[in-house]
Amino acid sequence: NAGVTQTPKFQVLKTGQSMTLQCAQDMNHEYMSWYRQDPGMGLRLIHYSVGAGITDQGEVPNGYNVSRSTTEDFPLRLLSAAPSQTSVYFCASSRTATNEKLFFGSGTQLSVL
Amino acid sequence: EDKVVQSPLSLVVHEGDTVTLNCSYEVTNFRSLLWYKQEKKAPTFLFMLTSSGIEKKSGRLSSILDKKELFSILNITATQTGDSAIYLCAVGAGAGSYQLTFGKGTKLSVIP
Repeated sequence: NAGVTQTPKFQVLKTGQSMTLQCAQDMNHEYMSWYRQDPGMGLRLIHYSVGAGITDQGEVPNGYNVSRSTTEDFPLRLLSAAPSQTSVYFCASSRTATNEKLFFGSGTQLSVL
Repeated sequence: EDKVVQSPLSLVVHEGDTVTLNCSYEVTNFRSLLWYKQEKKAPTFLFMLTSSGIEKKSGRLSSILDKKELFSILNITATQTGDSAIYLCAVGAGAGSYQLTFGKGTKLSVIP
């Protein structure tokens, strides 16, 4: 049982480059979300989805796009990377939009130079 | 704006000590409070507390929720070096699609 799988684990980008962080879950969860974690800031919600075809913004959405074409996948796109986006990114899912126990992926450490 | 405040931000104790971690919150339409443990990688779930379950216990860990005073505590008794981690408190709120708001975490270091 893989749970929530994130790729890549590490990534270095130059300012202005774009990239996609991948997230997949095999638990048939309705709810998926992306968080970023910065030192001293805790986990902050970027975007979330309550089902295929439905996405919404969280606390810090600027500079990121998401889509949810299938139940399993929820990629996070950085359109034009900036040093302020250097962070650890976590994808998380839960069974329903009202079931609040989140299962987290192992994270992606992103550095933007 | 929903707020979750954890204290202390860091704590160093000796093995065998008992520790209490605090989490206070101000949110609209409270639904639940969750505790997670984060070691080197992903946060792992510890407890979820709701109006129908204000006290949880698992081994040396226990947690209570005070909905009147808007706070929760996480107790760890007889601490071990394996308890060293960041402990995260999160509050679920919202009338429709909920969002979890996380505190900044408490970094616990247990030394032999």
